Amino acid sequence: AAGVIQSPRHLIKEKRETATLKCYPIPRHDTVYWYQQGPGQDPQFLISFYEKMQSDKGSIPDRFSAQQFSDYHSELNMSSLELGDSALYFCASSLQGAQETQYFGPGTRLLVL
Amino acid sequence: LAKTTQPISMDSYEGQEVNITCSHNNIATNDYITWYQQFPSQGPRFIIQGYKTKVTNEVASLFIPADRKSSTLSLPRVSLSDTAVYYCLVGDPYTGGFKTIFGAGTRLFVKA
Repeated sequence: AAGVIQSPRHLIKEKRETATLKCYPIPRHDTVYWYQQGPGQDPQFLISFYEKMQSDKGSIPDRFSAQQFSDYHSELNMSSLELGDSALYFCASSLQGAQETQYFGPGTRLLVL
Repeated sequence: LAKTTQPISMDSYEGQEVNITCSHNNIATNDYITWYQQFPSQGPRFIIQGYKTKVTNEVASLFIPADRKSSTLSLPRVSLSDTAVYYCLVGDPYTGGFKTIFGAGTRLFVKA
């Protein structure tokens, strides 16, 4: 069965650079979530989209933005990168009405030097 | 969103049954209880979800008492590969919005 696809899987950037992470949800899933997970920490909810509209925001820094496109894929744009942004970034997708049953992608490991 | 409390860590041996309890005293009427499993450097994986009484699937069982203020995830006959972090989440999957909060999960160590 098709799963959530994230790209790139690994990314190395320098401070103050920008990065764009992409997420392709499971076909027919209409909701996308982004999470950040630092080393040894629990996943932190960043933002979610339902039917291409932002639905909820969590602890997403102002330097980050995201959107969901007409084909339901989503992109997380990160600017002015800081060392503390180094983390695993997970995308998850679900069907509306089943928000608690999320399917997670493999993650993008971002390293900021 | 209902706050959840779980043990920080648990140890077990292969072949044993493991029960992880989650407290959610302020669970709302429409909230469901969902458990996820996460291996290092992988995304969380949905294990089981329930509303009340008992739910069982091929992986685990979920026990929810009548007052729903807690729930217990039961893993039968664990193996080394069940070593992971287990998260309990409480929320309304239909009208509760799309904000998901992962609390501090339970780190399960299964020993040979």
